Amino acid sequence: AQSVTQLDSQVPVFEEAPVELRCNYSSSVSVYLFWYVQYPNQGLQLLLKYLSGSTLVKGINGFEAEFNKSQTSFHLRKPSVHISDTAEYFCAVSGFNKFYFGSGTKLNVKP
Amino acid sequence: GAGVSQSPRYKVAKRGQDVALRCDPISGHVSLFWYQQALGQGPEFLTYFQNEAQLDKSGLPSDRFFAERPEGSVSTLKIQRTQQEDSAVYLCASSLAGVTEAFFGQGTRLTVV
Repeated sequence: AQSVTQLDSQVPVFEEAPVELRCNYSSSVSVYLFWYVQYPNQGLQLLLKYLSGSTLVKGINGFEAEFNKSQTSFHLRKPSVHISDTAEYFCAVSGFNKFYFGSGTKLNVKP
Repeated sequence: GAGVSQSPRYKVAKRGQDVALRCDPISGHVSLFWYQQALGQGPEFLTYFQNEAQLDKSGLPSDRFFAERPEGSVSTLKIQRTQQEDSAVYLCASSLAGVTEAFFGQGTRLTVV
């Protein structure tokens, strides 16, 4: 079975500071990995995905993530955050015709 | 269409009422998923369609939940005799095929009073 753990439920950070949102997964098979962002009262928007190839994946809005197979991690990073990045971020793994989501990390960017 | 469309955006139902939630996937997308997102939680899988075939309904919480996609495009999630614990946001997603990427709709927020 697959599962996703997001260790931090909330991450406060000041504007223009770097941020890392942590994600660990467990799976018995090869997986595809994703980060989605959810703004209030909105659906999920895909930030980036890892399917294969380079372990460093670049996404929209300046975000990137690194797939680390030995540590079963897929942490999301941004070198300099903006107020507009305030949202909830979900890590997901897919397999067996479904996506498995973590419980989410609320990123709160302060001025 | 340009994206996945869900209707209604908001639904208030009295306990015991039946509700129907609609999802219009992106045109040509073979795969369609339904998820339930409780307040403060991540989305939880409900069911999966490949065209009109419902290949996985393992996440449906009870026999009060029923989903269909009769012509392989629009899908409806029906909840009979709604209970307070059914209050959640119901998300629909579609993909060209499989689980390499999915596009989500804005969701339907169901409140059972």
